[in-house]
Amino acid sequence: ETGVTQSPTHLIKTRGQQVTLRCSSQSGHNTVSWYQQALGQGPQFIFQYYREEENGRGNFPPRFSGLQFPNYSSELNVNALELDDSALYLCASSLGYSEAEAFFGQGTRLTVV
Amino acid sequence: QKEVEQNSGPLSVPEGAIASLNCTYSDRGSQSFFWYRQYSGKSPELIMFIYSNGDKEDGRFTAQLNKASQYVSLLIRDSQPSDSATYLCAVNILVREYGNKLVFGAGTILRVKS
Repeated sequence: ETGVTQSPTHLIKTRGQQVTLRCSSQSGHNTVSWYQQALGQGPQFIFQYYREEENGRGNFPPRFSGLQFPNYSSELNVNALELDDSALYLCASSLGYSEAEAFFGQGTRLTVV
Repeated sequence: QKEVEQNSGPLSVPEGAIASLNCTYSDRGSQSFFWYRQYSGKSPELIMFIYSNGDKEDGRFTAQLNKASQYVSLLIRDSQPSDSATYLCAVNILVREYGNKLVFGAGTILRVKS
């Protein structure tokens, strides 16, 4: 158990809809990163939040957006869902933006139909 | 060239043998290297990290780093069927002036046969 919790664990959405995924970071961790893992691939970096500010972004379109709250929990929002957005979405928390060790939550399995 | 490359496997080893997993990376500036284990349908679990050239041992696991060759490996001694999983190699890369992200390989499937 890493202390990082994500909700929901599974989700089915229709193409074109919007989705919000949630993450509570490990106690004491102020940095949250989101990753997308397609089947058979390694996780891909979406973005990172540090103290409520976006701190870096991967190669994902603007319809992927996020938030971090004062308690360091975080949300990932995806608009206009596409079939290719079907994946395991992982949240990882770390002690600080310069701290490389990251601990993952159990993930949210998103299926877009 | 992919930033982090791993042989997809599957790598099959008999129970009790040494499993050797390899990874190469392209960013010479990378300073931190990680091995994650991922069981089917689960999230990645951090098992080892290494920052300095050489070997780092933790129980049955040994991570090896050679920055000159841009090569990281993971050895699992006395392999057990419960070690059967996908092993992900990850390299830490800076984003902007600060902050960091992990760049992952696609993973190597390990199967330990009893």
